[in-house]
Amino acid sequence: DAKTTQPNSMESNEEEPVHLPCNHSTISGTDYIHWYRQLPSQGPEYVIHGLTSNVNNRMASLAIAEDRKSSTLILHRATLRDAAVYYCTALGANNLFFGTGTRLTVIP
Amino acid sequence: DTEVTQTPKHLVMGMTNKKSLKCEQHMGHRAMYWYKQKAKKPPELMFVYSYEKLSINESVPSRFSPECPNSSLLNLHLHALQPEDSALYLCASSQDSWGRNTEAFFGQGTRLTVV
Repeated sequence: DAKTTQPNSMESNEEEPVHLPCNHSTISGTDYIHWYRQLPSQGPEYVIHGLTSNVNNRMASLAIAEDRKSSTLILHRATLRDAAVYYCTALGANNLFFGTGTRLTVIP
Repeated sequence: DTEVTQTPKHLVMGMTNKKSLKCEQHMGHRAMYWYKQKAKKPPELMFVYSYEKLSINESVPSRFSPECPNSSLLNLHLHALQPEDSALYLCASSQDSWGRNTEAFFGQGTRLTVV
């Protein structure tokens, strides 16, 4: 199973960009990189996913390294509502496990 | 409708009780999942159902018994639990097996306390 490594916590000022890193050096060629976030007392919420190319959606951008051993979730302008635990996961056909997550604190 | 609905939201049960957790989705998803989450830890996969058949059981003790009566419903039957089983139990669903270029939708969870 591909393991992911993330910093335990990060801080960001409100309305500034946030770059959340993730290492997944054991990822296989068919594993998708998924990001989910979990707000307090809620279930995880899908953020974004990708395989090889960088991806953008209304919530965030995902930058994937060329060798696919790392990726970065980019929140373009952090808001207080973005304070959550962000999970990076490399998912394959039978690999459905969450990483340890990064707790993001947004400072007003 | 992009919701996964879990009931009840909170449950307190004794170690000799039998109870069930319920999960429902109406998105036509064919894969459904049970996760267990302890405080300040990531969710841990318990079971995966794919097309109403159990496809993954992560060596979960038999006091947890999953059931998928139809493609929209997923149950988790609980019997003779221990206090250390107290946790947030999360249900999720996805179009197909998660990881095949598809996102998963999670319910809000059932907060279980075993006394």
